[in-house]
Amino acid sequence: NAGVTQTPKFQVLKTGQSMTLQCAQDMNHNSMYWYRQDPGMGLRLIYYSASEGTTDKGEVPNGYNVSRLNKREFSLRLESAAPSQTSVYFCASRNTEAFFGQGTRLTVV
Amino acid sequence: GQSLEQPSEVTAVEGAIVQINCTYQTSGFYGLSWYQQHDGGAPTFLSYNALDGLEETGRFSSFLSRSDSYGYLLLQELQMKDSASYFCASDNYGQNFVFGPGTRLSVLP
Repeated sequence: NAGVTQTPKFQVLKTGQSMTLQCAQDMNHNSMYWYRQDPGMGLRLIYYSASEGTTDKGEVPNGYNVSRLNKREFSLRLESAAPSQTSVYFCASRNTEAFFGQGTRLTVV
Repeated sequence: GQSLEQPSEVTAVEGAIVQINCTYQTSGFYGLSWYQQHDGGAPTFLSYNALDGLEETGRFSSFLSRSDSYGYLLLQELQMKDSASYFCASDNYGQNFVFGPGTRLSVLP
Protein backbone atom coordinates (compact mmCIF):
# COMPACT_ATOMS: atom_id res chain seq x y z
CA ASN A 1 0.00 0.00 0.00
CA ALA A 2 1.93 3.03 -1.29
CA GLY A 3 -0.28 5.83 0.13
CA VAL A 4 0.71 9.13 -1.52
CA THR A 5 3.50 9.11 -4.08
CA GLN A 6 5.18 12.30 -5.25
CA THR A 7 7.71 12.72 -8.01
CA PRO A 8 10.37 13.95 -8.35
CA LYS A 9 12.03 14.02 -4.91
CA PHE A 10 14.56 16.68 -5.89
CA GLN A 11 14.69 19.22 -8.72
CA VAL A 12 16.82 22.18 -9.69
CA LEU A 13 15.37 24.62 -12.21
CA LYS A 14 16.66 27.75 -13.84
CA THR A 15 14.56 30.90 -13.59
CA GLY A 16 11.88 30.84 -16.27
CA GLN A 17 11.85 27.07 -16.77
CA SER A 18 8.65 25.09 -16.31
CA MET A 19 7.97 21.80 -14.61
CA THR A 20 5.17 19.61 -13.33
CA LEU A 21 5.12 17.89 -9.96
CA GLN A 22 3.20 14.64 -10.00
CA CYS A 23 1.14 13.19 -7.15
CA ALA A 24 -0.87 9.99 -6.96
CA GLN A 25 -2.78 8.35 -4.10
CA ASP A 26 -4.17 4.85 -3.83
CA MET A 27 -6.53 5.34 -0.87
CA ASN A 28 -9.61 6.34 -2.91
CA HIS A 29 -9.71 9.78 -1.25
CA ASN A 30 -11.84 12.49 -2.79
CA SER A 31 -9.75 15.41 -1.52
CA MET A 32 -6.19 16.20 -2.57
CA TYR A 33 -3.92 19.13 -1.75
CA TRP A 34 -0.68 20.87 -2.64
CA TYR A 35 1.32 22.71 0.03
CA ARG A 36 4.64 24.49 0.09
CA GLN A 37 6.87 24.71 3.14
CA ASP A 38 9.68 27.21 3.44
CA PRO A 39 12.51 26.68 5.98
CA GLY A 40 11.29 26.98 9.56
CA MET A 41 7.76 27.75 8.44
CA GLY A 42 4.39 26.06 8.39
CA LEU A 43 2.71 24.54 5.39
CA ARG A 44 0.87 26.95 3.12
CA LEU A 45 -1.94 25.71 0.95
CA ILE A 46 -1.39 26.35 -2.77
CA TYR A 47 -4.36 24.60 -4.38
CA TYR A 48 -6.78 21.89 -3.45
CA SER A 49 -9.27 19.59 -5.11
CA ALA A 50 -12.25 18.58 -3.00
CA SER A 51 -13.39 16.03 -5.56
CA GLU A 52 -12.54 14.77 -9.01
CA GLY A 53 -13.19 17.50 -11.55
CA THR A 54 -12.90 20.44 -9.15
CA THR A 55 -9.96 22.60 -8.10
CA ASP A 56 -9.78 25.68 -5.90
CA LYS A 57 -7.19 28.22 -4.90
CA GLY A 58 -5.62 28.10 -1.48
CA GLU A 59 -3.56 30.69 0.39
CA VAL A 60 -0.72 31.13 -2.12
CA PRO A 61 -1.86 30.15 -5.66
CA ASN A 62 0.01 32.77 -7.71
CA GLY A 63 2.53 31.28 -10.12
CA TYR A 64 1.01 27.79 -10.02
CA ASN A 65 -1.59 25.76 -11.87
CA VAL A 66 -3.07 22.38 -11.03
CA SER A 67 -4.84 19.54 -12.77
CA ARG A 68 -6.97 16.86 -11.15
CA LEU A 69 -6.40 14.27 -13.83
CA ASN A 70 -8.61 11.62 -12.22
CA LYS A 71 -9.48 10.55 -8.68
CA ARG A 72 -5.94 9.27 -8.07
CA GLU A 73 -3.79 11.99 -9.57
CA PHE A 74 -3.32 15.69 -8.84
CA SER A 75 -0.47 17.56 -10.51
CA LEU A 76 1.09 20.96 -9.80
CA ARG A 77 2.65 22.99 -12.60
CA LEU A 78 5.07 25.89 -12.44
CA GLU A 79 4.87 27.65 -15.80
CA SER A 80 7.78 30.03 -15.31
CA ALA A 81 9.78 29.24 -12.20
CA ALA A 82 11.07 32.05 -9.99
CA PRO A 83 13.62 31.95 -7.13
CA SER A 84 10.77 32.75 -4.72
CA GLN A 85 9.33 29.33 -5.55
CA THR A 86 12.31 27.57 -4.02
CA SER A 87 10.66 25.44 -1.36
CA VAL A 88 9.64 21.96 -0.30
CA TYR A 89 6.35 20.92 -1.89
CA PHE A 90 4.03 18.38 -0.30
CA CYS A 91 1.06 16.66 -1.81
CA ALA A 92 -1.61 15.24 0.51
CA SER A 93 -4.90 13.39 0.32
CA ARG A 94 -7.46 12.75 3.01
CA ASN A 95 -10.84 11.85 4.33
CA THR A 96 -10.43 13.02 7.93
CA GLU A 97 -6.79 12.05 8.41
CA ALA A 98 -4.43 13.51 5.83
CA PHE A 99 -1.64 11.45 4.32
CA PHE A 100 1.35 13.25 2.86
CA GLY A 101 3.83 12.39 0.18
CA GLN A 102 7.53 12.53 0.99
CA GLY A 103 7.96 15.95 -0.55
CA THR A 104 9.73 17.51 -3.51
CA ARG A 105 12.71 19.70 -2.74
CA LEU A 106 12.74 22.35 -5.48
CA THR A 107 15.50 24.89 -5.98
CA VAL A 108 15.13 27.66 -8.55
CA VAL A 109 18.39 29.38 -9.46
CA GLY B 1 -9.23 35.36 6.15
CA GLN B 2 -8.06 32.37 8.07
CA SER B 3 -5.36 32.33 10.72
CA LEU B 4 -4.05 30.02 13.40
CA GLU B 5 -1.63 30.87 16.17
CA GLN B 6 0.75 28.61 18.07
CA PRO B 7 3.80 29.22 20.25
CA SER B 8 6.95 29.04 18.15
CA GLU B 9 9.00 26.92 20.56
CA VAL B 10 8.54 24.76 23.63
CA THR B 11 11.23 22.99 25.64
CA ALA B 12 10.68 20.21 28.19
CA VAL B 13 12.61 17.34 29.78
CA GLU B 14 12.16 13.64 29.23
CA GLY B 15 9.27 12.21 31.17
CA ALA B 16 7.51 15.56 31.54
CA ILE B 17 4.13 16.71 30.21
CA VAL B 18 3.85 19.53 27.70
CA GLN B 19 0.85 21.36 26.27
CA ILE B 20 0.89 23.10 22.88
CA ASN B 21 -1.90 25.61 22.39
CA CYS B 22 -3.60 26.67 19.18
CA THR B 23 -6.07 29.48 18.62
CA TYR B 24 -7.84 29.87 15.32
CA GLN B 25 -9.92 32.31 13.32
CA THR B 26 -11.35 30.55 10.30
CA SER B 27 -14.56 30.48 8.33
CA GLY B 28 -16.53 27.29 7.86
CA PHE B 29 -14.74 25.57 10.74
CA TYR B 30 -15.37 21.82 10.88
CA GLY B 31 -12.61 20.59 13.17
CA LEU B 32 -9.00 20.83 14.32
CA SER B 33 -6.21 18.42 13.47
CA TRP B 34 -2.71 17.98 14.84
CA TYR B 35 0.34 16.81 12.88
CA GLN B 36 3.89 15.95 13.82
CA GLN B 37 6.83 16.63 11.54
CA HIS B 38 10.41 15.55 12.15
CA ASP B 39 13.20 17.50 10.44
CA GLY B 40 13.43 16.52 6.79
CA GLY B 41 10.27 14.44 6.94
CA ALA B 42 6.65 14.71 5.94
CA PRO B 43 3.87 15.63 8.39
CA THR B 44 2.12 12.70 10.04
CA PHE B 45 -1.36 12.73 11.52
CA LEU B 46 -1.81 12.70 15.30
CA SER B 47 -5.44 13.56 16.03
CA TYR B 48 -8.65 15.21 14.88
CA ASN B 49 -11.27 16.94 17.02
CA ALA B 50 -14.63 17.68 15.47
CA LEU B 51 -16.48 18.05 18.78
CA ASP B 52 -15.65 19.87 21.99
CA GLY B 53 -13.73 17.89 24.54
CA LEU B 54 -10.72 15.70 24.95
CA GLU B 55 -9.57 12.93 22.60
CA GLU B 56 -6.93 10.55 23.92
CA THR B 57 -4.60 8.38 21.86
CA GLY B 58 -1.88 6.76 23.91
CA ARG B 59 0.54 9.38 25.25
CA PHE B 60 -1.06 12.11 23.15
CA SER B 61 -4.35 13.89 23.84
CA SER B 62 -6.05 16.72 22.01
CA PHE B 63 -8.68 19.15 23.21
CA LEU B 64 -11.08 21.47 21.41
CA SER B 65 -13.31 24.30 22.58
CA ARG B 66 -15.30 25.63 19.64
CA SER B 67 -16.79 28.46 21.70
CA ASP B 68 -13.29 29.72 22.53
CA SER B 69 -11.79 28.94 19.09
CA TYR B 70 -9.06 27.13 20.97
CA GLY B 71 -7.45 23.76 21.10
CA TYR B 72 -4.37 22.12 22.52
CA LEU B 73 -2.21 19.06 22.13
CA LEU B 74 -1.03 17.37 25.33
CA LEU B 75 2.01 15.14 25.21
CA GLN B 76 2.69 13.00 28.27
CA GLU B 77 5.73 10.96 29.32
CA LEU B 78 7.88 12.84 26.86
CA GLN B 79 10.55 10.90 25.01
CA MET B 80 13.53 12.12 23.03
CA LYS B 81 11.85 10.95 19.83
CA ASP B 82 9.03 13.45 20.45
CA SER B 83 11.40 16.28 19.51
CA ALA B 84 9.77 17.58 16.35
CA SER B 85 7.53 20.34 15.04
CA TYR B 86 3.82 20.16 15.81
CA PHE B 87 1.18 21.82 13.68
CA CYS B 88 -2.48 22.46 14.29
CA ALA B 89 -4.66 22.63 11.18
CA SER B 90 -8.23 23.83 10.76
CA ASP B 91 -10.62 21.82 8.62
CA ASN B 92 -12.70 24.34 6.68
CA TYR B 93 -16.03 23.42 5.13
CA GLY B 94 -14.81 19.82 5.16
CA GLN B 95 -12.91 20.68 1.98
CA ASN B 96 -9.58 22.30 2.69
CA PHE B 97 -7.36 22.53 5.70
CA VAL B 98 -5.02 25.33 6.69
CA PHE B 99 -2.00 24.89 8.93
CA GLY B 100 -0.74 26.96 11.81
CA PRO B 101 2.89 28.16 11.84
CA GLY B 102 4.06 25.22 13.96
CA THR B 103 5.59 24.73 17.39
CA ARG B 104 9.09 23.32 17.66
CA LEU B 105 9.34 20.97 20.65
CA SER B 106 12.74 20.19 22.09
CA VAL B 107 12.93 17.35 24.60
CA LEU B 108 16.01 17.48 26.82
CA PRO B 109 17.54 14.50 28.62
